[in-house]
Parts: sequence; structure tokens; C-alpha cells
Amino acid sequence: QVQLQESGPGLVKPSQTLSLTCTVSGGSISSGGYYWSWIRQHPGKGLEWIGYIYYSGSTYYNPSLKSRVTISVDTSKNQFSLKLSSVTAADTAVYYCARTSIAAWSDHIDYWGQGTLVTVSS
Amino acid sequence: SSELTQDPAVSVALGQTVRITCQGDSLRSYYASWYQQKPGQAPVLVIYGKNNRPSGIPDRFSGSSSGNTASLTITGAQAEDEADYYCNSRDSSGNHLFGGGTKLTVL
Repeated sequence: QVQLQESGPGLVKPSQTLSLTCTVSGGSISSGGYYWSWIRQHPGKGLEWIGYIYYSGSTYYNPSLKSRVTISVDTSKNQFSLKLSSVTAADTAVYYCARTSIAAWSDHIDYWGQGTLVTVSS
Repeated sequence: SSELTQDPAVSVALGQTVRITCQGDSLRSYYASWYQQKPGQAPVLVIYGKNNRPSGIPDRFSGSSSGNTASLTITGAQAEDEADYYCNSRDSSGNHLFGGGTKLTVL
């Protein structure tokens, strides 16, 4: 059973960089066939896809966040990470890491982390 | 830009059938996947592909697609099905999109 666990600061100051790490257990990031994704949910709102990384390091980001987002992978630790720069209060959200299964015309997110609330405040 | 549109709220009487829809141009080329989210919990995949259910998802959940519309149907809704439901798909540019979510109330 694959499990994902987010970790990182729960409070970030405005203009600083939000940094989160997702540790994957029960499966290898290097196994291929999956995107390793970050998704967020503003309080009381819907889901917003941030971006994903393939084990090879290829990335794809939400165009609306692309200028501020970096996703990286460390296959030796079976982890992937999110950095979001120049944060504001609008970046306060629950951040989820997830595994997206790549399938012809039907990518789908089959495993989610429990989510971690990140608050941007001075 | 691409987007997926869902009705904000839907209600169903206990034991009846309800359909939740998702509209978007990307659905003409890609299947939607559907997620159930209960308060304070992470979303859970309930339907993906043409009409596939992950292990552990009751068979009262089913999916279908026609043109630019994907549908999630719950046949014989139960009280525990009350939740928010999100559709998700990708577009030709590689963007992964979520619908705005539908709040399902079981009466």
C-alpha cells in the first residue's frame, strides 16, 4: 500500500518561500508510470493542481503558478518537494502531495497524502 | 484557458439515484476522474477512465461520458455518500484541471 506524507513548516511569512517535502513509502518513485503531484485547497474552497514531476525530473506546472513554483525529486530518499516563492496570504491552503497514475487518456490520482495546512502570516 | 464546470450543489433522497456532471472541452479527448472528499479528509478516488472503480469503492458509483460532459452516478445513495465531489482531467497542453466541486446532500 503506497503512502504519502507531507512535511514542512505550517507557518510562513509573507514574501518568503514555502517549502514542503513528500515522503513516499510502500512504493518507489523511480518505478515509472506515475507523476508525483502537488495539489492545494484554499480554506473552504475547491482543489487546485499545482504541478507534478516525473521520476526523471521532468516537470509540469499550473500556468497560473509557474513563475513561483519549483518541484524537485530525490529518488535516493524516495521524496519529492515543492517550493513556492514570494508567498502571500492567498497562498494559505492545505497542501496535498499525491501520486497520479499515467494512463492513456485517463490520468488519475490514486493516492493522496493527508494534507498539511500552511498559513502565510507575519 | 481550459476549465471544468460542475454544479455547486446537488441533493438526493436516501436510496435514490443522483447524477453529478462535469463539463469541459478537454473531456472530448480525455476521461474525467472523480474524487469524494468528506470534511477534514483528503479526497478519495471513486471513478477513473471509462468507468473504473478502485478496490473498495461500492458498485453504486459509476461513471460515463458523452461529448464534453462527464457524469458520476450514484445509484441508491446512502447517507455516507454525503460529501463534496470533484472531477479532474487533463487538457492537450498537459494541464491537470479540477472542477469547482459539487456538494452532495443526502436527504
